[in-house]
Amino acid sequence: DAKTTQPNSMESNEEEPVHLPCNHSTISGTDYIHWYRQLPSQGPEYVIHGLTSNVNNRMASLAIAEDRKSSTLILHRATLRDAAVYYCILRDSNYGGSQGNLIFGKGTKLSVKP
Amino acid sequence: EAQVTQNPRYLITVTGKKLTVTCSQNMNHEYMSWYRQDPGLGLRQIYYSMNVEVTDKGDVPEGYKVSRKEKRNFPLILESPSPNQTSLYFCATKNTGLVNTGELFFGEGSRLTVL
Repeated sequence: DAKTTQPNSMESNEEEPVHLPCNHSTISGTDYIHWYRQLPSQGPEYVIHGLTSNVNNRMASLAIAEDRKSSTLILHRATLRDAAVYYCILRDSNYGGSQGNLIFGKGTKLSVKP
Repeated sequence: EAQVTQNPRYLITVTGKKLTVTCSQNMNHEYMSWYRQDPGLGLRQIYYSMNVEVTDKGDVPEGYKVSRKEKRNFPLILESPSPNQTSLYFCATKNTGLVNTGELFFGEGSRLTVL
């Protein structure tokens, strides 16, 4: 399985944008990039995913490098509720979604200061 | 409302006393999975199930059993718990149809302590 590398921790100020990086230099052409986050005392929750193009949804934006060896999760205005561990994960689309088990790493712990 | 329900949420038990952590989902998903989460080690997959009566080992299956007799339920069984199974456990499910995002839906977690 292709691996991802994320910083252990990051800090942000409330209401400022946050850019969470992820390196995946061994990504294959069929790997989707998924982001999940885990709030304190909760299970992980889906944030966003993409393959090649940048993606936006109500929670965040995902910027994918042209060579796909890295990506950045963008929270446009961090709030205190965004303090969580953010996981960047690769999922092989060759499994058509029926397998492609998500392998979670250690993630990035985001702290948000008021 | 889409839900993944785990029980119990908290349990303290003793070494060797068999226990079962139940997981139920109401999304009609075929795929279900169990993870454990430990400090410094992140989330590690224990077992997963592609469909009823189909189960496979994940990365850390030793000491655990699972069963999938019906689509909605995927219990995790610890036949003889040991202290190294003290952990936070998560059940997850996802849609595996032809058109899907592969999004995993997680339960709220079950914190197990084995003395």
